[in-house]
Amino acid sequence: DAGVIQSPRHEVTEMGQEVTLRCKPISGHNSLFWYRQTMMRGLELLIYFNNNVPIDDSGMPEDRFSAKMPNASFSTLKIQPSEPRDSAVYFCASSYQGGSYEQYFGPGTRLTVT
Amino acid sequence: GENVEQHPSTLSVQEGDSAVIKCTYSDSASNYFPWYKQELGKRPQLIIDIRSNVGEKKDQRIAVTLNKTAKHFSLHITETQPEDSAVYFCAATLTGGGNKLTFGTGTQLKVEL
Repeated sequence: DAGVIQSPRHEVTEMGQEVTLRCKPISGHNSLFWYRQTMMRGLELLIYFNNNVPIDDSGMPEDRFSAKMPNASFSTLKIQPSEPRDSAVYFCASSYQGGSYEQYFGPGTRLTVT
Repeated sequence: GENVEQHPSTLSVQEGDSAVIKCTYSDSASNYFPWYKQELGKRPQLIIDIRSNVGEKKDQRIAVTLNKTAKHFSLHITETQPEDSAVYFCAATLTGGGNKLTFGTGTQLKVEL
């Protein structure tokens, strides 16, 4: 298996622009998680899905952030408009609920907003 | 909700020594406690986990202990090697509810030659 796939790996954008991060979970996994990692705040859970349904989005910072999972093999995290404080590494992870509980992380997207 | 505290934030040991990282959790219902290792510029990866029906688990040089009464668990690394240098995160969750992990703030372990 290719593991969790994220794109792009790096994104540099200007303040005010829309940013879309993409994630393909491991085939067969039914839970998907979006995390943000910064030096100041550590690893934060933004939102997670079970069977494509958003379960908990309490970690989403504000209305500028939105996430979708239209099917079992694809999810997006969108920031509109982006701000410099959104600069971070964004990880997507997937797991199989009912299995080993291990979350498999993707390689991350390093976002820089100037 | 669950709250996980992790100590120390940084740890420096000599190669060959042991390293111990400690975490406490707040929700007594939590029953699954994984540890993730994150090397510089890489993704977090699971290295060991423990469930609440077990008090200790070992995997070669790594061990985790769990004290449910005190609500704390620890990671023990023996005979440390330079490749053990990384950030280690503990986490806790109640399984069956989506497996939402609450992570600790991480420990930067440096193994010096």
